[in-house]
Amino acid sequence: KNEVEQSPQNLTAQEGEFITINCSYSVGISALHWLQQHPGGGIVSLFMLSSGKKKHGRLIATINIQEKHSSLHITASHPRDSAVYICAVNGGGSNYKLTFGKGTLLTVNP
Amino acid sequence: EAQVTQNPRYLITVTGKKLTVTCSQNMNHEYMSWYRQDPGLGLRQIYYSMNVEVTDKGDVPEGYKVSRKEKRNFPLILESPSPNQTSLYFCASSRDRGTETQYFGPGTRLLVL
Repeated sequence: KNEVEQSPQNLTAQEGEFITINCSYSVGISALHWLQQHPGGGIVSLFMLSSGKKKHGRLIATINIQEKHSSLHITASHPRDSAVYICAVNGGGSNYKLTFGKGTLLTVNP
Repeated sequence: EAQVTQNPRYLITVTGKKLTVTCSQNMNHEYMSWYRQDPGLGLRQIYYSMNVEVTDKGDVPEGYKVSRKEKRNFPLILESPSPNQTSLYFCASSRDRGTETQYFGPGTRLLVL
């Protein structure tokens, strides 16, 4: 079973700061997902990565397959970025399961 | 509009009374899945389906049943609900297995008394 660890659990930032959220997993994967959940809201997929780096607006996600580690960066953070960010991994081969980290609660103050 | 719908959105029931939460997607996705979300435990996968008539257990399948008779629908059945199944439930779909972008439903908040 893949273990997925996220850090930090909670993060408070001032508007405009650069944010990094980390995700580590224990066994090989075929894909890693970053998800966003606003308080009381639904879940939205931000990125799906199998290698390298992806960028969407102010969000950047990277993955290092050898080190079993991914990071989500938010540049020029804004109060509307306040949400829970969740990392999830899909096992390799015929493993169709998704395993989730417990999430990082980000609060961006104006 | 491409979407995943779940019904009901909120449900209060009593122990032992069978219930079904429906999930439907209009994107012709092969892969569908159910998750529960609990404070301190995060999201956990209950069951998933790779295609019609093909389902498999996730990490927490006990007390749940699923079926996939049509590609668009993936209902979650609680035959005899218990209070420890009180949770927030999400259905999701993706084009193929778990390696594609996941599209989540709005969630169903279930309280079992």
